Amino acid sequence: NTVMTQSPTSMFISVGDRVTMNCKASQNVGTNVDWYQQKTGQSPKLLIYGASNRYTGVPDRFTGSGSGTDFTLTISNMQAEDLAVYYCLQYNYNPLTFGSGTKLEIK
Amino acid sequence: QVTLKESGPGILQPSHTLSLTCSFSGFSLSTYGMGVSWIRQPSGKGLEWLASIWWNGNTYNNPSLKSRLTVSKDTSNNQAFLKVTSVDTADTATYYCAHTQFGVLFDYWGQGVMVTVSS
Repeated sequence: NTVMTQSPTSMFISVGDRVTMNCKASQNVGTNVDWYQQKTGQSPKLLIYGASNRYTGVPDRFTGSGSGTDFTLTISNMQAEDLAVYYCLQYNYNPLTFGSGTKLEIK
Repeated sequence: QVTLKESGPGILQPSHTLSLTCSFSGFSLSTYGMGVSWIRQPSGKGLEWLASIWWNGNTYNNPSLKSRLTVSKDTSNNQAFLKVTSVDTADTATYYCAHTQFGVLFDYWGQGVMVTVSS
């Protein structure tokens, strides 16, 4: 299986911070990576598809980048409503595999 | 507007078969490129893709569950189904169904249904 390793596991941040989190694939997945946001008690929501495409309605402070094995999600101006766990997903290989998540918490 | 809602037994005993239904609206599983996927999440843990079924009947399962998974659909009634045989406590989780389409996976999710396997 393709392992998606997310780092860091958690981050303590302040409103207004620039936040960068990473996802590393155990093999080349091209740009077949999505990013999802899951707030406590809610279903995940799609943020970024195809590594760098912002999904409809997603604020432009969210940016995805990367290809091959290394991927990044950046939040340019952290808002309180962005507190959540963020997951990457690769869909280049079966089985589709998620990373273990990066949790954003208030400092 | 796409909506999905999962339903299931809530609790079941080990070795039994879990049957889940995803009832949806806003799209048709007979339309080219449309699909429904199942993803689960144990409490406090991460996400695991289980299976997907496409408009043409093709299905893809997670091999880690071996042959325990079956996905199917009822296009006329806008429903998709997941069966998991021989459940044990490790299958305790919230199960989600999600709208799936070419190029944009999992763009709409159901609210999830909690399933507990316990004797």
